[in-house]
Amino acid sequence: DAGITQSPRYKITETGRQVTLMCHQTWSHSYMFWYRQDLGHGLRLIYYSAAADITDKGEVPDGYVVSRSKTENFPLTLESATRSQTSVYFCASRTSGGDTQYFGPGTRLTVL
Amino acid sequence: KQEVTQIPAALSVPEGENLVLNCSFTDSAIYNLQWFRQDPGKGLTSLLLIQSSQREQTSGRLNASLDKSSGRSTLYIAASQPGDSATYLCAVGNTGKLIFGQGTTLQVKP
Repeated sequence: DAGITQSPRYKITETGRQVTLMCHQTWSHSYMFWYRQDLGHGLRLIYYSAAADITDKGEVPDGYVVSRSKTENFPLTLESATRSQTSVYFCASRTSGGDTQYFGPGTRLTVL
Repeated sequence: KQEVTQIPAALSVPEGENLVLNCSFTDSAIYNLQWFRQDPGKGLTSLLLIQSSQREQTSGRLNASLDKSSGRSTLYIAASQPGDSATYLCAVGNTGKLIFGQGTTLQVKP
């Protein structure tokens, strides 16, 4: 399907485990973003990428790792999950010259 | 550091009412401002984007205004409908990144 997809949609894991959230877009957008959404904080930027092999930190990058070997994929890895990383994670993308970001449906992650 | 605030956090109105959602930001050096809609359990959908050089944008029953000097934006919804019930978020854009407010959750009662 065309658009931006995230997997899994729901994930429960335990403290200390490694978790990878996937994001895939079919538009060949240059830019991709990872946000987390928490009550009381709204959406906060974790990492973003301007192109394949180019990534940069956002507002709350600690505890997360990203990679972008292909334009269409932007996985987010929690190397050692903590309870504070329980959140809803959104991936987004946009063109290099555009302003509007297009969001995926989100992944609800629970860390026990 | 840019901070974006949306007041009120929640709003309940009867169907047919015109309403205004507010967004304020602390740093006027913005590139654009966007309004998004978020339905429960879903992602965000872009509603309107106002460039920093613009004063307002309109789409159907929605009108968004921007006053950079005062650090304010409003989203006006005309003749509200139950289908408008959702959370509305504003986001300030600068250097290609977005800073979001916490959103206003709107309930339109039939």
